[in-house]
Order: sequence, then C-alpha cells, then structure tokens
Amino acid sequence: EVLLLESGGGLVQPGASLRLSCAVSEFTSSAYAVSWVRQAPGKGLEWVSTISGYGDSTYYTDSVKGRFTISRGNSKTTVYLQMNSLRAGDTALYYCATPIYYYGSGSYYPWWGQGTLVTVSS
Amino acid sequence: EIVLTQSPGTLSLSPGERGTLSCRASQPIRSSYLAWYQQKPGQAPRLLIYGASSRATGIPDRFSGSGSATDFTLTISRLEPEDFAVYYCQQYGTSPQTFGQGTKVEIK
Repeated sequence: EVLLLESGGGLVQPGASLRLSCAVSEFTSSAYAVSWVRQAPGKGLEWVSTISGYGDSTYYTDSVKGRFTISRGNSKTTVYLQMNSLRAGDTALYYCATPIYYYGSGSYYPWWGQGTLVTVSS
Repeated sequence: EIVLTQSPGTLSLSPGERGTLSCRASQPIRSSYLAWYQQKPGQAPRLLIYGASSRATGIPDRFSGSGSATDFTLTISRLEPEDFAVYYCQQYGTSPQTFGQGTKVEIK
C-alpha cells in the first residue's frame, strides 16, 4: 500500500503563492506517477496536475497552466505543487493521489492522501 | 474535454435495497477507461471500480460496474448502512481526465 501525506495548505490573498507538498511513503515511490486532485467546498472532484514517476513528464488542467508547477524532490519521495497567482476559484481541498500506472491521458487512483486545504481570500 | 453527467443527483433508498447509478459521457470513452469512487464526509475518495467493471482490491462484490462507450452504471446490489455516501465516476481515457458531478445515496 502507498501512503500519501499532503502539507502546505493555508489562507492566502488573491495573487499570492503557495507550495504544497505530498510525501509518498513507499520505497518504490519513484516508480509512481503522482497527481493532484482538488475539491472545492461542497463540490465535486477536479484533476489538477500529474507528474510521471521520474519527473520527466508533467500534465496540467487548462485553468492552472502557466500558474501551477508540479515537480518531484531529489529523493523522488516528495512531490510539490507550486501555485502562483492564486485566485478565489483555486480555493479547495487539494488531494495528492497515485495510480498503479499512468496512461498519459489519466489514470484511476487506488491511493489518496487526506488533503490539505487552500483558501484564497482577501 | 469529456463531460460526465451522473444521474440521479440524489438517490433515496433503504438498507437492503438495490441502487443503480448512471454516468453518461459526452463522447465515447476510450477502452472503457471509467472508474467509480465512493466518498464519505471528511474522507478522501475510495476507488471502487476501474476499467468500467473491475472491482478494486478489497471492494465487496455487492458493488458492480458495467457499460461501455458513453453509458456506464454502478450497481449496489443490497445497500449496507456504510454505503450511504457520494459516488463519482471518472474517465481517464482522454486528456484531461474528468469526473462526474456525483450522486448522493441517502437513507430513505
């Protein structure tokens, strides 16, 4: 089983930046792609971004392209989501999740963290 | 992008009854790359079904998935008290992967 733990959420003003972290506890974590999926309060799920197992491929939903950057740490056991130019519409609980295999177009997710809350408000 | 429309929005049933949830796609989903998740308040989503009909590890056999192309169904054969939750479908066959808006299964 893969365990994931998110951190870094908080309350920020519009236009500010925030970096989320996802710690993946699995000795073969470098083999796993990692995605961020968000859920606005009382709303459904929205895929945000994915990074491949070795960090050589990244994917973003259109609404965050140019503002968010996903990356992996040197140990490959931590994935980051750098969020710049934050907007009220980015307010959500951000989950990291990992698939068994990433198809390029997406994947299904057996493993999820518990989420970290990002609130963008003045 | 592929839009997934789930129906009904809310399903009111009693324990022991059969639940049928629908997920309709705006265009055919490649290779039946369709998953179902269950989410309870304050919890992360839990994978139930992938590949339209394959149960995830540890999922009881009262949960089953079916369908292809644009029409998919999640069936809960006999509702247990712990099954009352929100259910989401997700397609991962065409980028960007997308989720439906959810169906809430509530106790009648």
